[in-house]
Amino acid sequence: GDSVTQTEGQVTVSESKSLIINCTYSTTSIAYPNLFWYVRYPGEGLQLLLKVITAGQKGSSRGFEATYNKETTSFHLQKASVQESDSAVYYCALGENNYAQGLTFGLGTRVSVFP
Amino acid sequence: EAAVTQSPRNKVAVTGGKVTLSCNQTNNHNNMYWYRQDTGHGLRLIHYSYGAGSTEKGDIPDGYKASRPSQENFSLILELATPSQTSVYFCASGDRGALNERLFFGHGTKLSVL
Repeated sequence: GDSVTQTEGQVTVSESKSLIINCTYSTTSIAYPNLFWYVRYPGEGLQLLLKVITAGQKGSSRGFEATYNKETTSFHLQKASVQESDSAVYYCALGENNYAQGLTFGLGTRVSVFP
Repeated sequence: EAAVTQSPRNKVAVTGGKVTLSCNQTNNHNNMYWYRQDTGHGLRLIHYSYGAGSTEKGDIPDGYKASRPSQENFSLILELATPSQTSVYFCASGDRGALNERLFFGHGTKLSVL
């Protein structure tokens, strides 16, 4: 089957510091999975943050970056300098090319940024 | 911006009762999904649909039925609710093959089965 692992359930970081959220994946059914980061801000619905469909490429959005590393089966999310508004729950996910059968999500990482 | 609306936002049900969770999307997307989220499990796919009239089983379909009467509406039905179905349920829509394909999620429905 498919699985996504996020090792940190909760991360606390000070404003202007760097952030990295780890994500590794495993799939037995998808040769070339698409990888995603979704985010849920307080009071809002889950929304796409960034998506990468090709191994070796990097996706970026709102100052966040993630590189699709097929060798290490990782898709870590990073930001050089976080803001209080980045406080949210972040989910790593994988899916097939057309993900018609839905996505497989990690458990999520709650990020709290303090001023 | 694409919109997915779930109702109700909160629901308290009794064990053995019937519960219907509704989802409406104004995106004209073909695909719709129902997920549940529980501590320690992340989001898990219950049922999904490719279009009006179709429903497919996801990873954890037992105890749930789904109905897609139209392109816009996708319901999740618990015929005999159990306390183990206490969870937060998310509906999503997506368009297979679209250039900028992604899933659009509703705000979630918090269900408590007593």
